[in-house]
Order: sequence, then C-alpha cells, then structure tokens
Amino acid sequence: KAGVTQTPRYLIKTRGQQVTLSCSPISGHRSVSWYQQTPGQGLQFLFEYFSETQRNKGNFPGRFSGRQFSNSRSEMNVSTLELGDSALYLCASSLGGGLAVNNEQFFGPGTRLTVL
Amino acid sequence: SQQGEEDPQALSIQEGENATMNCSYKTSINNLQWYRQNSGRGLVHLILIRSNEREKHSGRLRVTLDTSKKSCSLLITASRAADTASYFCATRRETGANNLFFGTGTRLTVIP
Repeated sequence: KAGVTQTPRYLIKTRGQQVTLSCSPISGHRSVSWYQQTPGQGLQFLFEYFSETQRNKGNFPGRFSGRQFSNSRSEMNVSTLELGDSALYLCASSLGGGLAVNNEQFFGPGTRLTVL
Repeated sequence: SQQGEEDPQALSIQEGENATMNCSYKTSINNLQWYRQNSGRGLVHLILIRSNEREKHSGRLRVTLDTSKKSCSLLITASRAADTASYFCATRRETGANNLFFGTGTRLTVIP
C-alpha cells in the first residue's frame, strides 16, 4: 500500500496570506489527523477528521481549519498567516473506528511552511 | 501542550551499543506509540504498546511500559549509524479522542 502523501512539500508565504495543505491517507484509512511541529512547542495536535466530520480539535485559533472529502483525503487551511505559523505540518492516517480501538497512526512526510 | 517528557534529551553512543530512552506521561493512557524522525522529515511509526501490555518486541526494539509509574522505555539493541534520529513517544489517552500527545523527544546519535 502507498503511504500517506502530503502536498506540497515546501511552501513559502508572506504574512496575511492564506494557505491550503493537502493530505491523502493510506487506502482504507478513514481518520486523518493534523499536527504542527515547531522547535519551541514540539508536536501539537490540530484536529482530526473521520468520515468527513471533525471529530476532535486541538487548542489552535480559528484561523486554522480543515475538511475531509468522501475519499478520506483531507485539507487544512490557515488564513491570515503569521510569522509564528512557520512550521512542519504533519498529517497522520489511521483506520479510525471507535475511540476504544488501538490504531497506529502513520504519518506523511510533512509540509514545511515558511511565513516571511 | 505536550503530554510527557523524554529522557535524556540527547544521547550519543558508539555503533553496536544499546540505546535506552525513557518517556514519562501524565494521564492514564489507552496506548503509547514510539516514532522516529530523521531531521526535518516525517515521523516513522516504530511500535505500539497497549496499556494492558508490559513489554513488546519488534526486531531490535524492546518497549517496556509501567502504567503505575506512568513511564515507558524504548531499548534499541546493537545500534547502527542509521539509527541516528530523534525518537518521540506519543500517548493516546484512556478516554476521549484519538489524537496523540507527544513527548519532547530524544535526539540519538550513533557514532560509526
């Protein structure tokens, strides 16, 4: 099976712009989660989508949003970019299912976003 | 905020030696997963241990979980230069959602 893919791999934007990142999960996986990784804050959870619905959300401002399509592909959007949004954005794919299920989460290569 | 702390923050060993990394967490968990990350790249899933398991093996990896102490250790035996990377533990909480809470990571350097 192909792994998790993320596009684009690298992105440079300026403050105030908006950006859309894309994630294609492993075939058959229905859950997609997004994480932000920065040197200062480490890896932090943004949100999770399952069956086109946001199932859980981390502690990020409303400028960060996402969606999931019927084929489980997911996009996240960041509006009104700030310098502090510069980070590696990782998406993770898992089978999903009930919350009691132990599912491994498999990560994509990430999108490196630089905000100037 | 991060769920846990990893110890040590950095570890440097000779090729062939064993490497042990420890992870402590704060809340009851459903499972704990270990990941490896090469510089600036994505996370590679290494192993998952459930809260009702005490030890798990996968190749040169051995994970030991002590839920009474809220701690977990990852042992890499017979290390190789290719094992050089950052290692993260990530917990999924016992109740609530599917998302993972990551530790601060251990930077492992294996010297050839």
